Amino acid sequence: QVQLVQSGAEVKKPGASVKVSCKASGYTFTSYGISWVRQAPGQGLEWMGWISAYNGNTNYAQKLQGRVTMTTDTSTSTAYMELRSLRSDDTAVYYCARDRIAAAVDWFDPWGQGTLVTVSS
Amino acid sequence: SYVLTQPPSVSVAPGQTARITCGGNNIGSKSVHWYQQKPGQAPVLVVYDDSDRPSGIPERFSGSNSGNTATLTISRVEAGDEADYYCQVWDSSSDHPHVVFGGGTKLTVL
Repeated sequence: QVQLVQSGAEVKKPGASVKVSCKASGYTFTSYGISWVRQAPGQGLEWMGWISAYNGNTNYAQKLQGRVTMTTDTSTSTAYMELRSLRSDDTAVYYCARDRIAAAVDWFDPWGQGTLVTVSS
Repeated sequence: SYVLTQPPSVSVAPGQTARITCGGNNIGSKSVHWYQQKPGQAPVLVVYDDSDRPSGIPERFSGSNSGNTATLTISRVEAGDEADYYCQVWDSSSDHPHVVFGGGTKLTVL
């Protein structure tokens, strides 16, 4: 079955970086895109950006431009999201989700199980 | 920036019909997708492209979209439907196309 499995929880200090992985299985990785969505405690969903696993094209949310980088490793069917210069308000559960197609962002199915990133001094 | 407005909460008795709205400027011209999120779990797609259901989603879940309002309808509500529901669109109208989520609606089954 189609599955996305994310890396484990992280605790980081303000100013540090975090890199979350998302390993895909059960489908042809390069035929789809991957979006990253985060959810602060008790809050709603916030889209962070998208990467095409076909050609590596990216589209980042404007508020995160310059702090976020999304990459893929097609040899291991794994997507990565790196967030730099962490602040306390980056504390959230980070999800990866498969896009409908590789060329654009549409709807997301399925989602990874989520990775809790805690930023605290 | 495009804004999607959802009611914070909707309550319904078991067996009744729940309607969760998602308001946006001319949202009828966009494709709307809906997600269900239960506590401590990742979101699950329940309706895509306004009214289509992924495999495995009960027929009780349906969607519509017209004018300035999209609606997720859950018929014959069950206790297991209690969750947060989010609508989502792709906003291609701005200088920087991006995904927009509604603020979410907590469905309570009385």
